[in-house]
Amino acid sequence: DIQMTQSPSSLSASVGDRVTITCRASQGINNYLAWFQQKPGKAPKSLIYAASTLQSGVPSKFSGSGSGSDFTLTISSLQPEDFATYYCQQYNGYPLTFGGGTKVEVK
Amino acid sequence: EVQLVESGGGLVQPGGSLRLSCAASGFTFSDHYMDWVRQAPGKGPEWVARIRKKVNSYTTEYAASVKGRFTISRHDSENSLYLQMNSLKTEDTAVYYCVRTPDSWGQGTLVTVSS
Repeated sequence: DIQMTQSPSSLSASVGDRVTITCRASQGINNYLAWFQQKPGKAPKSLIYAASTLQSGVPSKFSGSGSGSDFTLTISSLQPEDFATYYCQQYNGYPLTFGGGTKVEVK
Repeated sequence: EVQLVESGGGLVQPGGSLRLSCAASGFTFSDHYMDWVRQAPGKGPEWVARIRKKVNSYTTEYAASVKGRFTISRHDSENSLYLQMNSLKTEDTAVYYCVRTPDSWGQGTLVTVSS
């Protein structure tokens, strides 16, 4: 199985901060990497797929980068609605696997 | 707009069965692989199963934790996805999501396995 190691597992940040979350795959995944945002009691919401393609309707403050096995999600200027848990997912091989999540909290 | 609406969740005893459904709209359902993903209370998402398209002979993949107990199927003419769950265990308790990987998730349906 491809292991997805996401870091940090949590972070505290202020409105306006730039936030970076990383995701490392245990092997190359050909950029088949997605990022999701999840708020309590809600379904995950797609932010980015194919490592860097912004999902339609998602604001441009979110960006994804990386290749091979190392990937990054960046939020350029954190807003109150961005406090949530973020997950990465690889969809290159079976089983599809998720990172452990990063909870972004108010500082 | 892509919409995925799950139904069929509920409370079931260990060893019991349940069939989940997902109604898809807003896209050409038959053109896409479809997945079920679950999320146990307080945990991260876990992929459960995938079904490919007709051109791929509707072949399937399963997570090791459900293989032999769960069956994924689809009915393209009805834009519907299904998950038949047999021999349910307490550890199958979760919200089950219908997913068009990598970009669309339903709202989920809760399955609780408890005596």
